[in-house]
Amino acid sequence: SQTIHQWPATLVQPVGSPLSLECTVEGTSNPNLYWYRQAAGRGLQLLFYSVGIGQISSEVPQNLSASRPQDRQFILSSKKLLLSDSGFYLCAWSTPPRGGRADTQYFGPGTRLTVL
Amino acid sequence: RKEVEQDPGPFNVPEGATVAFNCTYSNSASQSFFWYRQDCRKEPKLLMSVYSSGNEDGRFTAQLNRASQYISLLIRDSKLSDSATYLCVVNPEYSSASKIIFGSGTRLSIRP
Repeated sequence: SQTIHQWPATLVQPVGSPLSLECTVEGTSNPNLYWYRQAAGRGLQLLFYSVGIGQISSEVPQNLSASRPQDRQFILSSKKLLLSDSGFYLCAWSTPPRGGRADTQYFGPGTRLTVL
Repeated sequence: RKEVEQDPGPFNVPEGATVAFNCTYSNSASQSFFWYRQDCRKEPKLLMSVYSSGNEDGRFTAQLNRASQYISLLIRDSKLSDSATYLCVVNPEYSSASKIIFGSGTRLSIRP
């Protein structure tokens, strides 16, 4: 069965510090991968998605970046965190669109980031 | 108008009650629909997909009304463990999840 891992679970970082969040998926090949942010009491905002190694699409302009160095690894980074980067970061995967539905997303446990 | 709208609640109902909430969407070309459940400080988890003919899973029933552009979730014989936020999800594309839109959620609280 497929599983998705994220770490760390919680993170407290000072403003201006760098960030690296990692997400890995097991049990599937060539998944679509996604990074979302959920601010307190708000809906999920799609930040990045990837359909393959090295292929990243950005949905919103910001000081975050994403990379996919391996098929089942997705990394969210920042060189300098802002206060507004605080939130709940969720990684998700969906099946590759090989003639079937690719839109059911499965989420990792998330990373709760507080920028002080 | 928001692309996906939900009543934020909270819906506060007694255990054993039946509760229903709707979610409206603005894109009439939307292809697929889901309900996710999110517990406090946890990740969203898929509750059920919503099919054109409606579908049922135990105490949960989901329906789609394309003419009025809304989906609904009905919970019968509610349990304390049903307390959570329910997210409506709409996707205008069948084969890609990059355009998927999440509602802000409806908070449900079941009291003893």
